[in-house]
Amino acid sequence: EAQVTQNPRYLITVTGKKLTVTCSQNMNHEYMSWYRQDPGLGLRQIYYSMNVEVTDKGDVPEGYKVSRKEKRNFPLILESPSPNQTSLYFCASSFTGSSNQPQHFGDGTRLSIL
Amino acid sequence: DQQVKQNSPSLSVQEGRISILNCDYTNSMFDYFLWYKKYPAEGPTFLISISSIKDKNEDGRFTVFLNKSAKHLSLHIVPSQPGDSAVYFCAASALWGKFQFGAGTQVVVTP
Repeated sequence: EAQVTQNPRYLITVTGKKLTVTCSQNMNHEYMSWYRQDPGLGLRQIYYSMNVEVTDKGDVPEGYKVSRKEKRNFPLILESPSPNQTSLYFCASSFTGSSNQPQHFGDGTRLSIL
Repeated sequence: DQQVKQNSPSLSVQEGRISILNCDYTNSMFDYFLWYKKYPAEGPTFLISISSIKDKNEDGRFTVFLNKSAKHLSLHIVPSQPGDSAVYFCAASALWGKFQFGAGTQVVVTP
């Protein structure tokens, strides 16, 4: 089954404790992206990757890091999480990242930073 | 600065009637617009899209209209069904890889 898998689905942690949210897709997609969803703001793009070793900032990259060492994986790293990063996070992928390509989304990771 | 705006946070419609969801944008460089549907505890799923060179695209019960001069698009669902109850996001792109989403509209279809 074609899917985007995020782990963990839920996480409660404390300020400053480094964490990684993993994202994996099995569709051989070149493009992957991370979003955060907040009430009243919709989805905002954090980082995206057009291919292996190619990453770029979205609209809200501050406080986040990403890496794309393999085509299927695109982890999101919070080096020193803060309470304002409490949010619902989605990973997505598509074949090329062109404007007309629908993205496939994971089921989300709810992060609470205390 | 949100370039894609969905000004109606919620919409209630009777089963069988038409649902009309609106989306406004500010960036005239957007060349493609997409609608996604999201159920609770799931990720968004693609619904329908439209190129900036068209003014209408239809797929079954779903039709998207684009008015470039007004920088406005709308999604029509006819007839509305209970399974259409979800949050709908409007999204747009002007650059490969970069996407802007609206805040979403919660649709509730009542019996």
